Amino acid sequence: GENVEQHPSTLSVQEGDSAVIKCTYSDSASNYFPWYKQELGKRPQLIIDIRSNVGEKKDQRIAVTLNKTAKHFSLHITETQPEDSAVYFCAASLSDYKLSFGAGTTVTVRA
Amino acid sequence: EAQVTQNPRYLITVTGKKLTVTCSQNMNHEYMSWYRQDPGLGLRQIYYSMNVEVTDKGDVPEGYKVSRKEKRNFPLILESPSPNQTSLYFCASSFSAGGQETQYFGPGTRLLVL
Repeated sequence: GENVEQHPSTLSVQEGDSAVIKCTYSDSASNYFPWYKQELGKRPQLIIDIRSNVGEKKDQRIAVTLNKTAKHFSLHITETQPEDSAVYFCAASLSDYKLSFGAGTTVTVRA
Repeated sequence: EAQVTQNPRYLITVTGKKLTVTCSQNMNHEYMSWYRQDPGLGLRQIYYSMNVEVTDKGDVPEGYKVSRKEKRNFPLILESPSPNQTSLYFCASSFSAGGQETQYFGPGTRLLVL
């Protein structure tokens, strides 16, 4: 099955700075890469996703990049704000029905 | 309101006492899935269902059972809970192919097995 590694496990940034989270996956056949955000005590929610036929995708302050050759993808958050503090999970899928998640990154934005 | 609901939200039980965590969605989704969340391990898939009466194992199915008799419901059954099943459980659903589209998560069930 797919194995997803996520780094770093914790990330502290000053408000207004950028945050970058990196994930690697093991199976080159994986073709769908979503990112979920989980605020404290809440459920995970999709914030952005990318498919293997695209190298980069942006949505306001959030962007995701994919390097298929190296089998890694990254989440970039610019101009961080206190509401960006949360746990972020990357995931990868090579099938219609199974999604493999990384271990999560706890992001803290310091005011 | 479109949503995924789970009950109970919190549960404390003892080893060996059978329990069921219910999951229901009102979005007419075909795909439903159960995950457990543990510190440092992320979200791990327990079971998933592609449609009514069609289920399959995820990555950590041992000690769990599921059923999908109706499209909207996907209960998780622990026949003989053990302390290593203490965890935060999430149910999720998506329109058809949960591995290729947005999954909508329930609020979570925090389980403690003594």
